[in-house]
Amino acid sequence: QKEVEQNSGPLSVPEGAIASLNCTYSDRGSQSFFWYRQYSGKSPELIMSIYSNGDKEDGRFTAQLNKASQYVSLLIRDSQPSDSATYLCAVYVSGGYNKLIFGAGTRLAVHP
Amino acid sequence: GAVVSQHPSRVICKSGTSVKIECRSLDFQATTMFWYRQFPKQSLMLMATSNEGSKATYEQGVEKDKFLINHASLTLSTLTVTSAHPEDSSFYICSARSGVNYGYTFGSGTRLTVV
Repeated sequence: QKEVEQNSGPLSVPEGAIASLNCTYSDRGSQSFFWYRQYSGKSPELIMSIYSNGDKEDGRFTAQLNKASQYVSLLIRDSQPSDSATYLCAVYVSGGYNKLIFGAGTRLAVHP
Repeated sequence: GAVVSQHPSRVICKSGTSVKIECRSLDFQATTMFWYRQFPKQSLMLMATSNEGSKATYEQGVEKDKFLINHASLTLSTLTVTSAHPEDSSFYICSARSGVNYGYTFGSGTRLTVV
């Protein structure tokens, strides 16, 4: 069974701080990794994708990938109350599976 | 960007009846669409992969006779929940792969309540 693990949280950070969200995955052959944000009662929206080791920055968001450690993270700088949501890590598993596997999500709460 | 339209957004039905949910890719063709179910405070669970012009592939534990999937065109997939029961009440979300980077675009979801 291919798995994606996340701490369910809640992760509580003050407004303006850096929020750090972590994810580990079991399929060593995975090549594509995604972070989705899901507000309560809404469907997920893609915020970051990353395919190579290292960091990828997009505005206040930075995704980090370490394939050797099978670890993906998402940093949110200058956190805002509007960032409060559940963040889902997703890993594309190929090799016969060809599907996107989601972690359980980490709930982030940014308080003023 | 890629848009996936899902209808209805909310439906309440009586136990024993059937409900159809539609998922359309508006500005791209999707040979493959995916149906997920999400219970409160849980993650998305893939139910089935819908393939245009062929039978859907169901995940282990998902009843194919209960959750009927039809993918008759490159832009439309439907999920029919047959003989719905209260335990089928959930948030159903479709998605499609819209680019070569395997990123999935999600529909807005359908909140099904069976009473």
